[in-house]
Amino acid sequence: SQTIHQWPATLVQPVGSPLSLECTVEGTSNPNLYWYRQAAGRGLQLLFYSVGIGQISSEVPQNLSASRPQDRQFILSSKKLLLSDSGFYLCAWSKEGGDSQPQHFGDGTRLSIL
Amino acid sequence: AQSVAQPEDQVNVAEGNPLTVKCTYSVSGNPYLFWYVQYPNRGLQFLLKYITGDNLVKGSYGFEAEFNKSQTSFHLKKPSALVSDSALYFCAVRLPNTGFQKLVFGTGTRLLVSP
Repeated sequence: SQTIHQWPATLVQPVGSPLSLECTVEGTSNPNLYWYRQAAGRGLQLLFYSVGIGQISSEVPQNLSASRPQDRQFILSSKKLLLSDSGFYLCAWSKEGGDSQPQHFGDGTRLSIL
Repeated sequence: AQSVAQPEDQVNVAEGNPLTVKCTYSVSGNPYLFWYVQYPNRGLQFLLKYITGDNLVKGSYGFEAEFNKSQTSFHLKKPSALVSDSALYFCAVRLPNTGFQKLVFGTGTRLLVSP
């Protein structure tokens, strides 16, 4: 069966520090991968998606970047964190080419910026 | 532009009673519709989806949803609520054949089931 892992679960970082959040998927090949941010426990905002290694699309301009160095690894990064980067970050995957396939989510990283 | 609305911020129901969480959508074409549930400090869990066919779809944990094309709705239902059903519920819509699977999520409805 497929599983998705995100780490760390929680992170407290000072303003201006760098960030690296990692997400890995097991049990499937060439998944579509997604990064979301959830603010105040409500709506989800899609940040980035990837349909293959090295292929990253950004949905909104922001202080963050994403990379996919391996088929089942998706990394969210920042060079200098802002207070507004605080939130709950969720990684998700779906089957390649599967329009009707659901997305499956990791358990998220709660990021607090001080 | 495709969108999805969840008109209720919170739904309160007593344990054992039926529950309904509402969702309406606005898309051109035939949508793919999904329901997810989120427990505190966890990711979203897939409950069920409507792609085509029977308007009543059954999903995990005894949940079901009814697709109504004329009313552009996809309400989530359960015949008998459990306290453990208390969580945040999200409706999402995907327009088919538009490339990668981008989902548009509603703002969520908090379900509170009282003992």
